[in-house]
Amino acid sequence: TQLLEQSPQFLSIQEGENLTVYCNSSSVFSSLQWYRQEPGEGPVLLVTVVTGGEVKKLKRLTFQFGDARKDSSLHITAAQPGDTGLYLCAGAGRGGTSYGKLTFGQGTILTVHP
Amino acid sequence: EPEVTQTPSHQVTQMGQEVILRCVPISNHLYFYWYRQILGQKVEFLVSFYNNEISEKSEIFDDQFSVERPDGSNFTLKIRSTKLEDSAMYFCASRRDTNTGELFFGEGSRLTVL
Repeated sequence: TQLLEQSPQFLSIQEGENLTVYCNSSSVFSSLQWYRQEPGEGPVLLVTVVTGGEVKKLKRLTFQFGDARKDSSLHITAAQPGDTGLYLCAGAGRGGTSYGKLTFGQGTILTVHP
Repeated sequence: EPEVTQTPSHQVTQMGQEVILRCVPISNHLYFYWYRQILGQKVEFLVSFYNNEISEKSEIFDDQFSVERPDGSNFTLKIRSTKLEDSAMYFCASRRDTNTGELFFGEGSRLTVL
């Protein structure tokens, strides 16, 4: 069974601060996705990282995939209140339909105070 | 922008009743999935569906669950005899024929079993 440990579970910071969320596993994933989920809605894809060591940037968000494709991080620079939400990491299996068989982390609830 | 749509948004049912949750995946997608999220817990994989048959299913997806794609557009999840522990958000997701595991989720159907 693949497990993905996400930390921290809760993060409360002031506007303008930087933060990092981590996802760690003992398993290798074919890719790793980061999602954001609003209350009462489904997860919305932010980014997919595929290659070990890959770094992707989405405005103030930086996503990194570990060299061994077992871990990933999400770094937010100069957080804003609009970044408040639930962030989920999810690792994908390999082959055919397994690419969409995602193992989710527990999620990080981020609160950015003005 | 194409999206996955789910109905109903919320269903309340009595224990032992049958429930059908409906999904319309994105039209050019080939792979379909159901996930569930019990309140306060991780998003969990239930089942994947491709080429009109189940590809993979989790331990959660027992004989009480079934999926169907009765026509070219709908994808349904049926729970034959609901239990209290089936109360959860059920998310439908779909993806194109890629190997990156990017899923597009619907907004979910909240099932409450009394």
